[in-house]
Amino acid sequence: NAGVMQNPRHLVRRRGQEARLRCSPMKGHSHVYWYRQLPEEGLKFMVYLQKENIIDESGMPKERFSAEFPKEGPSILRIQQVVRGDSAAYFCASSPRSAEGKQYFGPGTRLTVT
Amino acid sequence: KQEVTQIPAALSVPEGENLVLNCSFTDSAIYNLQWFRQDPGKGLTSLLLIQSSQREQTSGRLNASLDKSSGRSTLYIAASQPGDSATYLCAVRPVWPDSWGKLQFGAGTQVVVTP
Repeated sequence: NAGVMQNPRHLVRRRGQEARLRCSPMKGHSHVYWYRQLPEEGLKFMVYLQKENIIDESGMPKERFSAEFPKEGPSILRIQQVVRGDSAAYFCASSPRSAEGKQYFGPGTRLTVT
Repeated sequence: KQEVTQIPAALSVPEGENLVLNCSFTDSAIYNLQWFRQDPGKGLTSLLLIQSSQREQTSGRLNASLDKSSGRSTLYIAASQPGDSATYLCAVRPVWPDSWGKLQFGAGTQVVVTP
């Protein structure tokens, strides 16, 4: 059973461009979570999704950031008009159920904005 | 508002010594607590998960305890090895329905085990 997959692993964008980060959960997992780790800071929750539903987006910046988890295909975290402060490691996690299960993390996407 | 603190921020021990890592949280209304390991430039590896009704969990050389009433968890690593060098993170999950899905992380303890 493959783990959580994220791609790309490294992404370089110029200021003003769009960044698209993809996450494929573990097989059989229907819950996806996105976290951000800024340089020298801890991991911060961004958004929790189930298939076709956003359950909790309390950690998402109000502008430029959006996330989706369609019925088919990976979850996408989209950052429009990136700025240097968006440079960070973005981690995706999945779980089979939101309640008792562990969250299993992917290797992360390291976004660098130049 | 829940706050998760890990002390110390960094720790260096000689090989063979036992490691003791501390995690404290301000709101005892948690569903579970999870310990992770993060290697530089890598993702997180789950080590142990303790449900709120449990007092401890063990896996090999690792043992984690939970005292929910005092808001503390401790991760013990016996007979440390250089391969244990990493950053260790603890994370709490709140109870339903408050922010049900999200984990709240501490800043981590960076561990170096010297040969």
